[in-house]
Amino acid sequence: EVQLVESGGGLVQPGGSLRLSCAASGFTFSSYAMHWVRQAPGKGLEYVSAISSNGGSTYYANSVKGRFTISRDNSKNTLYLQMGSLRAEDMAVYYCARVSGNYDIGYYFDYWGQGTLVTVSS
Amino acid sequence: SSELTQDPAVSVALGQTVRITCQGDSLRSYYASWYQQKPGQAPVLVIYGKNNRPSGIPDRFSGSSSGNTASLTITGAQAEDEADYYCNSRDSSGNHGVFGGGTKLTVL
Repeated sequence: EVQLVESGGGLVQPGGSLRLSCAASGFTFSSYAMHWVRQAPGKGLEYVSAISSNGGSTYYANSVKGRFTISRDNSKNTLYLQMGSLRAEDMAVYYCARVSGNYDIGYYFDYWGQGTLVTVSS
Repeated sequence: SSELTQDPAVSVALGQTVRITCQGDSLRSYYASWYQQKPGQAPVLVIYGKNNRPSGIPDRFSGSSSGNTASLTITGAQAEDEADYYCNSRDSSGNHGVFGGGTKLTVL
C-alpha cells in the first residue's frame, strides 16, 4: 500500500524556518518525481515545489523561490521541504504528492499525504 | 488568478447528472486531471488522462475535453459526492503544472 506521511509542521514566527518531511512507503520512491502542494485556510490548491526522481531537477513557485528548498533522500525514502523567511501568507496545510503519468496521458498526482499544517504567527 | 478557470460553485439534485468545467488555453494541448477534496481531507485523484479512473473511483465519474475546456461529469450524483473539485494541467508555457481555483459541488 502506498503511503505518504508528512511531518514537521507547526507554529513558527514570521521570518522563521521550518523543515517538512514526507516519508514514503509501499512503492519504489526513487522512481517517482514528487511535489509539495499547499492549501491556505479556505483557499484552493497551490503548487509549491517539485523534484525529479533522482533529485537532479527542481521547480519552485515564484511565491517561494529563494526561500524554500526541496530535496530528497532516496536511501531513506523521504522528501523534504526546507522553508525559510516564512511569511503569514505561507500559512497553509502542506501536502506531499506523488507524480505519475507520462507525456502522452499527462502527469497527475495519484497519491497524497494527509498534510501537515504550518502556522506563521507571532 | 489561475490559468485554469473553474466555476466557484455548482449544485445538483440527488441522482441527477452534473458537469464541472475547467477552462484554459493549455487544455487544447494537455489533458486535465481531476481531484475531489472533502473537508479536512487530502485531495483524491478521480480522473486522469483522456478519461481514466483510478481503482476504487466509481464509474459515475467521467472526464472529457473539447477545445480549451475539460469537463468532469458525475452521472447520478450521490450525497457523498458533495466536495470541492479541482482540475490540474499544464500552465500556458507547458513547462509547469497549475490547479484550477476549484468548484464546490453541493448535492441537493
